[in-house]
Amino acid sequence: QSVLTQPPSVSGAPGQRVTISCTGSSSNIGAGYDVHWYQQLPGTAPKLLIYGNSNRPSGVPDRFSGSKSGTSASLAITGLQAEDEADYYCQSYDSSLSGHVFGTGTKVTVL
Amino acid sequence: EVQLVQSGAEVKKPGESLKISCKGSGYSFTSYWIGWVRQMPGKGLEWMGIIYPGDSDTRYSPSFQGQVTISADKSISTAYLQWSSLKASDTAMYYCARSETGIFGDWFDPWGQGTLVTVSS
Repeated sequence: QSVLTQPPSVSGAPGQRVTISCTGSSSNIGAGYDVHWYQQLPGTAPKLLIYGNSNRPSGVPDRFSGSKSGTSASLAITGLQAEDEADYYCQSYDSSLSGHVFGTGTKVTVL
Repeated sequence: EVQLVQSGAEVKKPGESLKISCKGSGYSFTSYWIGWVRQMPGKGLEWMGIIYPGDSDTRYSPSFQGQVTISADKSISTAYLQWSSLKASDTAMYYCARSETGIFGDWFDPWGQGTLVTVSS
């Protein structure tokens, strides 16, 4: 069982804005550790989407943005497109486990 | 181009041993941690452990400590994940990924293409 909780699914129509939450605790996000986000398209390996809470690697569209506050973080997708249909995972470090942890994952469906 | 290339799919029987690999290229292999991640069929990502090829310092998730062994051969820029006695519950896709170090936490980029391990009698 993951220590980072995400909603199982979110959906939106093309062009809409959706957000995905990632809820942690005082031993991970709340302890000041950064949150990173990955996109996993069907049948492919995960790909880095956001690092250091809000930074986009080169090549990632600015439709994707991240934020962090307290013991939670969020990923927002604006101008939703059909190609954004995928699973999304948050990731951080947990001091109690002395290791990296992933969120439970969220499936984004474009209606 | 920084790249991680993993070994091919494996089909094994319960009780057999297995070692899968992850070869890095396009960067200094000894200067970055390499992590392993499990994804069971239809499930999420689970961090298994991480190794620093420069000195073979290795850390394991409590969930995987004693269940697998992570190693590296820096002379051929390759990291490994191995099992001494596979179980059906080890059936999963396994990914390796390079760890990038940040001030307040590390992230994984890039990722290998994955190695599918199927354990069945």
